[in-house]
Amino acid sequence: QQQVKQSPQSLIVQKGGISIINCAYENTAFDYFPWYQQFPGKGPALLIAIRPDVSEKKEGRFTISFNKSAKQFSLHIMDSQPGDSATYFCAASKSGSEKLVFGKGTKLTVNP
Amino acid sequence: KAGVTQTPRYLIKTRGQQVTLSCSPISGHRSVSWYQQTPGQGLQFLFEYFSETQRNKGNFPGRFSGRQFSNSRSEMNVSTLELGDSALYLCASTLSAGGNNEQFFGPGTRLTVL
Repeated sequence: QQQVKQSPQSLIVQKGGISIINCAYENTAFDYFPWYQQFPGKGPALLIAIRPDVSEKKEGRFTISFNKSAKQFSLHIMDSQPGDSATYFCAASKSGSEKLVFGKGTKLTVNP
Repeated sequence: KAGVTQTPRYLIKTRGQQVTLSCSPISGHRSVSWYQQTPGQGLQFLFEYFSETQRNKGNFPGRFSGRQFSNSRSEMNVSTLELGDSALYLCASTLSAGGNNEQFFGPGTRLTVL
């Protein structure tokens, strides 16, 4: 049972474009939704996270949009740069546990 | 401040053997979680430890076990290795337990089972 579904599996954008990655979750008990960025040979690193009491959170070029009723959340990368080329994972967890349930990941390629 | 360290970084074993992986969390962090990463299944939660106690366990067979020491360092063990255990094993640490904390991941241990 895949509790967090992520799409697309891969994404190619041009430098300066907008990258959009979507996730949907099933468990309404989830109350923390982080996005992680992973480069080859490295562990995932937290990019940005949101809680369901807000609908949007922005940090620099990265924005999370959250739709509680639809049980969906998305990552927008504005002005995408070649250095953003990496695999992005959405995740979800619930209070009382550090257990993260991850989406399958999106491999982003930003062409110069 | 040093990050999460994992040893060894690479490991090659044969089927039937057992393996122990080690994780040292960020200094001051008391919670450690383990994940298995494979191309097919992605990132899957293995265990969560806080103050030497296992707080959560994922859906893995009993061949997978772990523990945490008083200095917060953690080890995981896989017995009777199978080919399907080949994966990147990631350790993550957080300052405390209770959920919704930023988890800091180590670089992982790449295990290959032949």
